Amino acid sequence: DAGVIQSPRHEVTEMGQEVTLRCKPISGHDYLFWYRQTMMRGLELLIYFNNNVPIDDSGMPEDRFSAKMPNASFSTLKIQPSEPRDSAVYFCASNPDRNSPLHFGNGTRLTVT
Amino acid sequence: AQSVTQPDIHITVSEGASLELRCNYSYGATPYLFWYVQSPGQGLQLLLKYFSGDTLVQGIKGFEAEFKRSQSSFNLRKPSVHWSDAAEYFCAVHTNAGKSTFGDGTTLTVKP
Repeated sequence: DAGVIQSPRHEVTEMGQEVTLRCKPISGHDYLFWYRQTMMRGLELLIYFNNNVPIDDSGMPEDRFSAKMPNASFSTLKIQPSEPRDSAVYFCASNPDRNSPLHFGNGTRLTVT
Repeated sequence: AQSVTQPDIHITVSEGASLELRCNYSYGATPYLFWYVQSPGQGLQLLLKYFSGDTLVQGIKGFEAEFKRSQSSFNLRKPSVHWSDAAEYFCAVHTNAGKSTFGDGTTLTVKP
């Protein structure tokens, strides 16, 4: 298995632009998670899905952030409009059931100038 | 709500020395506990997990961890550290709802 695949690996954009991060979970994994990692706040859970349905989005910072999972093999995290404080590494992770360990992608490093 | 505390932000040990990284958790029910390791530019990788049963669990790369319910702790240990162990280590608690909460991480530096 190729593992969790995230794209792009790096994204540099200007403030006000729309940013879309993509994730392909491991096949057969029913749960998908989006995390944000920064020096100041550590690893924060933004949202997670079970069988493509959002279960908990309480970690989404504000309305500028949205996430979708149109099918079992693809999810997006969108920021519109982006701001410099959104600069972080965004990780996608998946697991086959709620009690299993998470499998992480290599992350997308987002820089908003 | 669940929480995880890793009291040590940064630890430095000499190669060949023993290692212990501390983790304390807060969760109302029986926890599912994990240790992950993160190398620069990469995602987190599972080292070991505790669900139930034997409170001393073995993981990859020679790591082990001991669950102590009375102390709400799940400390990670390794008897002899290798230079390649230098990385950031995260403790996590996993709830029955499927949500994971991570500690702030401990950065390990290994001196030659």
